[in-house]
Amino acid sequence: GIQVEQSPPDLILQEGANSTLRCNFSDSVNNLQWFHQNPWGQLINLFYIPSGTKQNGRLSATTVATERYSLLYISSSQTTDSGVYFCAGDFGNEKLTFGTGTRLTIIP
Amino acid sequence: ETGVTQSPTHLIKTRGQQVTLRCSSQSGHNTVSWYQQALGQGPQFIFQYYREEENGRGNFPPRFSGLQFPNYSSELNVNALELDDSALYLCASSTGLNTGELFFGEGSRLTVL
Repeated sequence: GIQVEQSPPDLILQEGANSTLRCNFSDSVNNLQWFHQNPWGQLINLFYIPSGTKQNGRLSATTVATERYSLLYISSSQTTDSGVYFCAGDFGNEKLTFGTGTRLTIIP
Repeated sequence: ETGVTQSPTHLIKTRGQQVTLRCSSQSGHNTVSWYQQALGQGPQFIFQYYREEENGRGNFPPRFSGLQFPNYSSELNVNALELDDSALYLCASSTGLNTGELFFGEGSRLTVL
């Protein structure tokens, strides 16, 4: 079946540091989204990025669909960035398949 | 613009009982999807509704059922609850059938004792 793998599974950083989260997928993707799950469980949309690069403030994302990976960059981390980050792709079956997540902890 | 809202936010049931979870889609969205997220895992697709019809189902037994209403709101019903049904249930809405960008509600956290 389709696999979506995220790395690293856990990341602990000092406030102000930069980080790169990776999402590898096993099949061609129609669209790809990045989410931040807050401590209350809500999935917050970060990027809708089937291909190319987008930036939103301190966050940016790049998807290289031909090589089946996507990257999420977080610069100048803040404690509010803590939480679990998920990538999820639509592989032509009209549903999102989620990755395993990266748990990010930012230490003041 | 109203976002996706879910109710109840938390509930506790006992094994064998039935539960109904509700979701109001984001304004302008006609497609609703439901996901189950067990502790420590990523969300898993349950099913999707478009124009009041089920359109796609994940690997969940028939005791998981749903409805979509003319105003595009939706219900998830789970019969004969099992302990493993304890999870966060997430509703997402989008426009049309080709997934597009999904927007999620805050979820309903179900505990089965």
